[in-house]
Amino acid sequence: QQQVKQSPQSLIVQKGGISIINCAYENTAFDYFPWYQQFPGKGPALLIAIRPDVSEKKEGRFTISFNKSAKQFSLHIMDSQPGDSATYFCAAVHTGGFKTIFGAGTRLFVKA
Amino acid sequence: ETGVTQTPRHLVMGMTNKKSLKCEQHLGHNAMYWYKQSAKKPLELMFVYNFKEQTENNSVPSRFSPECPNSSHLFLHLHTLQPEDSALYLCASSQESLLAGNTGELFFGEGSRLTVL
Repeated sequence: QQQVKQSPQSLIVQKGGISIINCAYENTAFDYFPWYQQFPGKGPALLIAIRPDVSEKKEGRFTISFNKSAKQFSLHIMDSQPGDSATYFCAAVHTGGFKTIFGAGTRLFVKA
Repeated sequence: ETGVTQTPRHLVMGMTNKKSLKCEQHLGHNAMYWYKQSAKKPLELMFVYNFKEQTENNSVPSRFSPECPNSSHLFLHLHTLQPEDSALYLCASSQESLLAGNTGELFFGEGSRLTVL
């Protein structure tokens, strides 16, 4: 019930292409869904986040799509760039308990 | 200094050594965390401290001993470690509040890369 399942484990995309990473959760108590981005040698940092009362949130080239009934959400990176190459973690938070549950991560490599 | 600072960035130790990892946050947050990052489990929560009190110990072996003297500092004392403990140890902080809009966003340090020989 506490798990967040993330796929794929790794992803290779051509420059300019669309990168898509998917996550699914079980616990309906989660009410905040952030994505963290981690570059080599750095700690993860918040990239974009969504609450379950909206179906989509866009910030620049990054979009979260959220399907509450299916308990799934995904990150879309439009016009992917080599500088986007990093590990991406989805997460689910129960803000009442402030517990963040992370997915297993996706290593993205964008080929120039 | 800003954000979350971890020292040392790299540490090599033998199985009989005793060493400590240090974390300091300059964000005024009230919660601090230790995470272990390895190839097997990318982000594994170890300990949580809230207002200096330990609120979570995620079944971590006793060879890892956390210490939180105040809301800004967190230590992880290491002794008689095993080679499988080699990993990146990440410290994070957050502001835990029940005020509307607070999300508990985690702010991570750059990590301490530990190698146990």
